[in-house]
Amino acid sequence: NAGVTQTPKFQVLKTGQSMTLQCAQDMNHNSMYWYRQDPGMGLRLIYYSASEGTTDKGEVPNGYNVSRLNKREFSLRLESAAPSQTSVYFCASSVDGRGGRYGNQPQHFGDGTRLSIL
Amino acid sequence: DQQVKQNSPSLSVQEGRISILNCDYTNSMFDYFLWYKKYPAEGPTFLISISSIKDKNEDGRFTVFLNKSAKHLSLHIVPSQPGDSAVYFCAASEGSGGSNYKLTFGKGTLLTVNP
Repeated sequence: NAGVTQTPKFQVLKTGQSMTLQCAQDMNHNSMYWYRQDPGMGLRLIYYSASEGTTDKGEVPNGYNVSRLNKREFSLRLESAAPSQTSVYFCASSVDGRGGRYGNQPQHFGDGTRLSIL
Repeated sequence: DQQVKQNSPSLSVQEGRISILNCDYTNSMFDYFLWYKKYPAEGPTFLISISSIKDKNEDGRFTVFLNKSAKHLSLHIVPSQPGDSAVYFCAASEGSGGSNYKLTFGKGTLLTVNP
C-alpha cells in the first residue's frame, strides 16, 4: 500500500544545477500538490494540479515548474537551483479539491525529498 | 502575514492526561480545517478535520472543536499516549465554490507525551 511515493529522498545540488523531483500516487486521486517546508515553518504550497491536464500556482511558485505527466504522476522541476530553495519538498494527493460541506477529502502526503543546494 | 497561527511551539504532557493544541486563524473565508500529525523524516499524516458548519468532530481519542466567532480551533487528545509525540499542524482552506486545493498551514506544535 504505497500511497504517495517521492523520489529521490535526498539530493545535494550546486547552485545553478537543474533537478526534477518525482511524485507518483496509486490511490487514483485526481488532485496533486507540491509543498515546501522550511525550518520552523509550516508547509507552503508551490503548485497544484486539480486534475490531469491542469496546473496552477500556489503561494510560492517562483523558481519552479511542474508537469502533470498523467493521472498518477506530478513532477517538480528546479531549472536553476538557488540556495534559497534548500528545503524539504512534499508531494500530496487528494480525491479532488472538494472539502468542507462536501465531505472529508484530505490531502495525503509522501515522505518528502530533502534537497540541499550549495 | 500569517493566516493560520499556532502560538505554542511546544507542549509537554503526562501519559494518560489530556493534550490540548490550539490554532487561531485570521481569514474569515476559511471554512474547512484539518489537523495533521508529523513524525521526523516522514510526511504529514491526516488526523481529523472539521467543516465550518460544525463546532465539534470526534474520532476516537481525537476531538476537534471550532469556534467560528473567535476564529479559533483546538485539538483534544484524550488520553495522551507516548506514541502521540509528534509535530501537529493545523491547516485551513477556503471551501467556497467547493474547492479546497489551497491549504494554509500553521507552523506546528511539537507535542511530547512523557511516560
